[in-house]
Amino acid sequence: DGGITQSPKYLFRKEGQNVTLSCEQNLNHDAMYWYRQDPGQGLRLIYYSQIVNDFQKGDIAEGYSVSREKKESFPLTVTSAQKNPTAFYLCASSMGFALAKNIQYFGAGTRLSVL
Amino acid sequence: AQSVTQPDIHITVSEGASLELRCNYSYGATPYLFWYVQSPGQGLQLLLKYFSGDTLVQGIKGFEAEFKRSQSSFNLRKPSVHWSDAAEYFCAVGPYTGNQFYFGTGTSLTVIP
Repeated sequence: DGGITQSPKYLFRKEGQNVTLSCEQNLNHDAMYWYRQDPGQGLRLIYYSQIVNDFQKGDIAEGYSVSREKKESFPLTVTSAQKNPTAFYLCASSMGFALAKNIQYFGAGTRLSVL
Repeated sequence: AQSVTQPDIHITVSEGASLELRCNYSYGATPYLFWYVQSPGQGLQLLLKYFSGDTLVQGIKGFEAEFKRSQSSFNLRKPSVHWSDAAEYFCAVGPYTGNQFYFGTGTSLTVIP
């Protein structure tokens, strides 16, 4: 089955700790995205990547970092600099960044909480 | 600036009743429009999309949406709601090519028996 796999489903962070959220896709999509979802605020873009070894900041990139070493993987690290990390994190992918009729497909999400 | 507005934060309907969820967008170019549904603790599932052509588009689960350029709207409709339709619904707008998608803040749907 093709799709986007996010792990873990639940994650807890201690004060001052960095944590990494995994996102893997087997859809052969070039573009991948990370969103943060807070109640009543919709989805806010953290980072996106058009192609391997390239990524761009979204609207709320501060306190987060990403890498894109492989086409199928786009992990997100929530650093200790992110003072309010508690949220639901969604990973998405799409066929091509510059393609017309671009459609985003989403993983099942990771819920991050602070201990 | 691009934006998407979903005026209704929460809607309650009776099972079997009709449903309309509102979405208005602000976009400088020809928009591509989407509706997604999210069940609690889950990711977003694409319900339907509008790229061009017929302004009434059909989606999965019996949903449809109508694009009205003059009103900058893309409202989602369903003739008869089922209890399983209870979820959060998001409207989104995207560019013809590349870059960001913009999401509304969502409408939470409750279905009562």
